[in-house]
Amino acid sequence: GENVEQHPSTLSVQEGDSAVIKCTYSDSASNYFPWYKQELGKRPQLIIDIRSNVGEKKDQRIAVTLNKTAKHFSLHITETQPEDSAVYFCAASPQEAGTALIFGKGTTLSVSS
Amino acid sequence: ETGVTQTPRHLVMGMTNKKSLKCEQHLGHNAMYWYKQSAKKPLELMFVYSLEERVENNSVPSRFSPECPNSSHLFLHLHTLQPEDSALYLCASSQSESGGEQYFGPGTRLTVT
Repeated sequence: GENVEQHPSTLSVQEGDSAVIKCTYSDSASNYFPWYKQELGKRPQLIIDIRSNVGEKKDQRIAVTLNKTAKHFSLHITETQPEDSAVYFCAASPQEAGTALIFGKGTTLSVSS
Repeated sequence: ETGVTQTPRHLVMGMTNKKSLKCEQHLGHNAMYWYKQSAKKPLELMFVYSLEERVENNSVPSRFSPECPNSSHLFLHLHTLQPEDSALYLCASSQSESGGEQYFGPGTRLTVT
């Protein structure tokens, strides 16, 4: 089955710097790759996603890139702000029906001002 | 409250008790999920239901028993739990079970004493 590895587990940056979180997946048939943000004490919420027919997607300060050949995808946050501090989860969706998202173990991002 | 709701938000139970967690989605989705979130294994998928049928059971112990009476409601029945079952239990829903954005509920913080 699908396996998703996420790195780093913790990331500390200064306000205004960029942050990059990387994930690799094992199932070449996976076709949907979302990123979720979970603030302390709150539920995970989707921030951006990408499908396998697209190499890059951007939404204001966040972007996701996908390399299907290498089977890895990354989250890029530019001009980080303290409110970006949270746990970020990547996930992959295997193509076969009846299988839900497989999540990475999460990255705790801390943005200091 | 709209979206995905969960009750109770907090639950403390003894190892011999029987309790149930409830999830309700108001989004017209066809798939619902139970996740266990703990410090050691963040966002661990437990069960997947699609159109009220269980389509996935990720080797979850029988002391956890899910029930999906209709596409809007999902229950997790608990009995003879262990202290290591203490965690945040998150419910989620999506349009279908084969990929796509999942909407999470606020979770039930369970403590087994």
